Amino acid sequence: DTGVSQNPRHKITKRGQNVTFRCDPISEHNRLYWYRQTLGQGPEFLTYFQNEAQLEKSRLLSDRFSAERPKGSFSTLEIQRTEQGDSAMYLCASSLRPFGYTFGSGTRLTVV
Amino acid sequence: AQTVTQSQPEMSVQEAETVTLSCTYDTSESDYYLFWYKQPPSRQMILVIRQEAYKQQNATENRFSVNFQKAAKSFSLKISDSQLGDAAMYFCAYRSAYYGQNFVFGPGTRLSVLP
Repeated sequence: DTGVSQNPRHKITKRGQNVTFRCDPISEHNRLYWYRQTLGQGPEFLTYFQNEAQLEKSRLLSDRFSAERPKGSFSTLEIQRTEQGDSAMYLCASSLRPFGYTFGSGTRLTVV
Repeated sequence: AQTVTQSQPEMSVQEAETVTLSCTYDTSESDYYLFWYKQPPSRQMILVIRQEAYKQQNATENRFSVNFQKAAKSFSLKISDSQLGDAAMYFCAYRSAYYGQNFVFGPGTRLSVLP
C-alpha cells in the first residue's frame, strides 16, 4: 500500500451530468477527508468520515453532493447535475490520528 | 470562523539561499495547530512542518523552520539552503484544537527556485 489512491485522475463531463469519484485510503487509516481546490486557491474542506460514519459536512457540500464510505474502507464522492462552478480538483486524504494526513493526487473535474 | 492569509502569491529564491514565506491567521481560539504544506506540480500535498500553539518553541525540520508569533497571529516559514526540489506551492493551514477535524488553508504561495 503506497498511499492514498484517487480515481479517475481527470474527468471531463457535460453540465447536468452526474459524476462519481473514488478514494482508496491507506488501509489502516480510519479517518478520511474530502477537500475541493479551485485554481489559485487552497483546499476547502468538504466532509470527514471516521470509519463508515460521516461526522462532519461543510456548507460547501450542497444537496447535489453526496459522499459515502461503506464499511469504512474506500469512499465515493458523487456530484449530481454538475455545474460549471463544480470544476475543481477534488482531494482525498486519510489519517490514523487527527494529524498525519496523507493526501491523494486528486481528481481534476472539468465541467463543459 | 478562522481565516488564513498568505500575502505573497509568488516568491523566488536563488538556489542555496534562504527565503521566508509569510502567513497570518485570524482566530478567537487559544489552542490550535498550524501547518505548512507543500504541493509540488504533481499536486500531492506533503506536510512540511507543524506547530502547536501552546508551545513557545518554534518548530524546525531540517532546513525548514517557523517563526510563530502568537500575539501577532503570524506564522512564517523559513527555508534555508534552498534546493531546486523546494519549488512548489506552499500552503499555510490552521486547525482548531477544539472543534472539527478540518484544516483551513490559505491561498498559497508559489515558490520558484532559481539555479
